[in-house]
Amino acid sequence: QLQLQESGPGLVKPSETLSLTCTVSSGSIGTSLHYWGWIRQPPGKGLEWIGSIHYSGGTYFSPSLQSRITISVDTSKNQFSLNLTSVTTADTAMYYCARHSHSSPLLPFDYWGQGALVTVSS
Amino acid sequence: DIVLTQSPGTLSLSPGERATLSCRASQSVSSNYLAWYQQKPGQAPRLLISGPSIRATGIPDRFSGSGSGTVFTLTISRLEPEDFAVYYCQQYGRSNTFGQGTKLEIK
Repeated sequence: QLQLQESGPGLVKPSETLSLTCTVSSGSIGTSLHYWGWIRQPPGKGLEWIGSIHYSGGTYFSPSLQSRITISVDTSKNQFSLNLTSVTTADTAMYYCARHSHSSPLLPFDYWGQGALVTVSS
Repeated sequence: DIVLTQSPGTLSLSPGERATLSCRASQSVSSNYLAWYQQKPGQAPRLLISGPSIRATGIPDRFSGSGSGTVFTLTISRLEPEDFAVYYCQQYGRSNTFGQGTKLEIK
């Protein structure tokens, strides 16, 4: 069974960069046709897609966040990562990594990590 | 961006009843690329249905999806206690956007 696990700091100061990593197990990013994505959920609110990446390096970002996002992939570690720059308190959220159901960033998410809560506060 | 509006915000029903959840799009959803997710407290969302009527692996047949264009519906034919949760729709025809959710609570 494919598993995804988010990791990274739980507290980030305003104006700094939020960095998270998703480690995939029981499946290989480097041989997968799938795109892999990041989604966030502010406390008590709905879901927001952030962006997605393919092992080849192809990326696809939310228009509202693309100026602050970097997503990268490390196939040797079976991981992909998110960097979100210039964070504010509005970026406080549970951050999920997930897999698109096939070879396009325009597909549903069929496997999800358990989420990582990131709080932006001084 | 395509904006998805879900209604009602909260739906109060009893086990055994039928639930009908609505998702309306601000523009036509390309190729009916719409999915539904279930989220329980403290858990990640779980994919229920996509395309907009294809159940994901392991999803009971009491869950069904329908619709086209700008109006989509998730129906749960007979509510089980474990079905009470928050439900989100997602369109993936043009970028990816989610609705704000419908909370299905026990009456």
